[in-house]
Amino acid sequence: GENVEQHPSTLSVQEGDSAVIKCTYSDSASNYFPWYKQELGKRPQLIIDIRSNVGEKKDQRIAVTLNKTAKHFSLHITETQPEDSAVYFCAASTGGFKTIFGAGTRLFVKA
Amino acid sequence: NAGVTQTPKFHILKIGQSMTLQCTQDMNHNYMYWYRQDPGMGLKLIYYSVGAGITDKGEVPNGYNVSRSTTEDFPLRLELAAPSQTSVYFCASGTGGANTEAFFGQGTRLTVV
Repeated sequence: GENVEQHPSTLSVQEGDSAVIKCTYSDSASNYFPWYKQELGKRPQLIIDIRSNVGEKKDQRIAVTLNKTAKHFSLHITETQPEDSAVYFCAASTGGFKTIFGAGTRLFVKA
Repeated sequence: NAGVTQTPKFHILKIGQSMTLQCTQDMNHNYMYWYRQDPGMGLKLIYYSVGAGITDKGEVPNGYNVSRSTTEDFPLRLELAAPSQTSVYFCASGTGGANTEAFFGQGTRLTVV
């Protein structure tokens, strides 16, 4: 079945540096790739998403890239700030009603 | 709008007991979902619903049941609780299927002892 692998599981960066989280998916029919941010003790919230007809999408300090041939997509956060510290989940879906989530990356931004 | 509201936030259940996790949304979303989140794992879909009266199994439905009598409410029932059901449970809703944003509740941390 569909599988999404996410790396790294933990990432620690200095404030102001960039952070990159990578995900690979197994089902080539996947066409929607959201990223959710979950702060400690809070609910997951969508921060950015990308569809398969687009190779890159940017929203201020965050960007997502998609390589359909290699079946991987990445989240890029530039100029990291302490409030970026959270767990980030990538996900993939082929449509329908099933979204497959990665295991999550815990990002620490050190001031 | 309150969004998606779950109750309770925390609960301790004894093995073999049953309970219902409540979920309600006020965004008039047709689609609702129940996920469980285990440490170091992604969210796993338990059940979903595409509208009142319609429910279907997700990836990990065993030990759970749901109902959807109204658009707003989507309760999750645990029968004969087992330690393996210790987890954080999230309810979510959306305007469409898996290709649209999911709006999550604040979660229910359930411990089965």
